[in-house]
Amino acid sequence: IAGITQAPTSQILAAGRRMTLRCTQDMRHNAMYWYRQDLGLGLRLIHYSNTAGTTGKGEVPDGYSVSRANTDDFPLTLASAVPSQTSVYFCASSPRGGQGLHNEQFFGPGTRLTVL
Amino acid sequence: DAKTTQPPSMDCAEGRAANLPCNHSTISGNEYVYWYRQIHSQGPQYIIHGLKNNETNEMASLIITEDRKSSTLILPHATLRDTAVYYCIVRLTYNQGGKLIFGQGTELSVKP
Repeated sequence: IAGITQAPTSQILAAGRRMTLRCTQDMRHNAMYWYRQDLGLGLRLIHYSNTAGTTGKGEVPDGYSVSRANTDDFPLTLASAVPSQTSVYFCASSPRGGQGLHNEQFFGPGTRLTVL
Repeated sequence: DAKTTQPPSMDCAEGRAANLPCNHSTISGNEYVYWYRQIHSQGPQYIIHGLKNNETNEMASLIITEDRKSSTLILPHATLRDTAVYYCIVRLTYNQGGKLIFGQGTELSVKP
């Protein structure tokens, strides 16, 4: 079934540890996104990629890094996790990023991360 | 900033139309209005989008005022499964990456 998957579903992590959240889509979408969602703050964009090989910073990029080595995968890495990174993380993809055209984003089921 | 303003919450009776308002007074000429919803514990789901004209699909209708400073999402016959947070989003232009910036949304409660 075509779609977007995230792993793990949930994770408890000690502060200072390194963590990579995985995101894979099989829709051959060009653009991919990472959001975090916190109570009272809504969804905030962390990083995005309009096409394989390119990435950009969103609203809240500090403490996170991404890579886009191919079309399907867009991992999000926390190099040294801190408790303020406790959140629900959503990955999304869209057929194209950028100008003009319809940009429906398809969201994954989310990863619930707790940093202690 | 999200550039949109929505009421934080609304109630609607099951079977009735739900009309969700959104103000976007600073929208520019080539920015689209998008609506997404998020059912509890799930990822957001696309509903509908528009630029100038009113739009309708199998989920909802979108009414955009002539001056484009506000819009209304209409769920014609709300069901209990429509209970969710509804986000009105102005899609940024290409020079800003075409990204979606989510605001706080409206929490719609559909009641029996």
